[in-house]
Amino acid sequence: QQQVKQSPQSLIVQKGGISIINCAYENTAFDYFPWYQQFPGKGPALLIAIRPDVSEKKEGRFTISFNKSAKQFSLHIMDSQPGDSATYFCAATNSGGSNYKLTFGKGTLLTVNP
Amino acid sequence: DVKVTQSSRYLVKRTGEKVFLECVQDMDHENMFWYRQDPGLGLRLIYFSYDVKMKEKGDIPEGYSVSREKKERFSLILESASTNQTSMYLCASSIRVWNRVFKDEQYFGPGTRLTVT
Repeated sequence: QQQVKQSPQSLIVQKGGISIINCAYENTAFDYFPWYQQFPGKGPALLIAIRPDVSEKKEGRFTISFNKSAKQFSLHIMDSQPGDSATYFCAATNSGGSNYKLTFGKGTLLTVNP
Repeated sequence: DVKVTQSSRYLVKRTGEKVFLECVQDMDHENMFWYRQDPGLGLRLIYFSYDVKMKEKGDIPEGYSVSREKKERFSLILESASTNQTSMYLCASSIRVWNRVFKDEQYFGPGTRLTVT
């Protein structure tokens, strides 16, 4: 019940294309879904996050789409750039929980070719 | 600027050695975490702490222990290092805020790449 399943494991996109990474969760207590971005040699950093009271959240070229009934959420990167090449992790947590753990997906290595 | 620092970027130890990985945060965060990152396995939580001297096991605590004597410092200890503990170790601290909106953000250090030979 604690898992977050992320796909694909790796993704290659041409510059200017759309990158799509999908995640699915099982625990219905999860109500906060962040995405983290990790560049080589760095720790992950928060990119964008969504709560289930909205179906979509957009920040610049990054959009999270959320489907509560399907228990799925996805990250869309529009007009992908080589500088977006990184590993992306989805995550989930219960905002009212007694601990502050995040449950992470296994990550997607995105490569954007010039 | 928010900062999480880890004592070493690279570390090489021998099997059976006791290993200390140190993490310090300057943000006065209550919560701190230790993860290991391995290809194809993502980020796996080893231990976390939500207060000084408090600790809780994560998903893979076996072979590890932790210490949090001060709020800003969280140490990961490998009691007797083994080759299967060769990995990237990431420390994080977090803040969880409820204002008009909820926000939870973990701040990660740059990681320590540990090799056990």
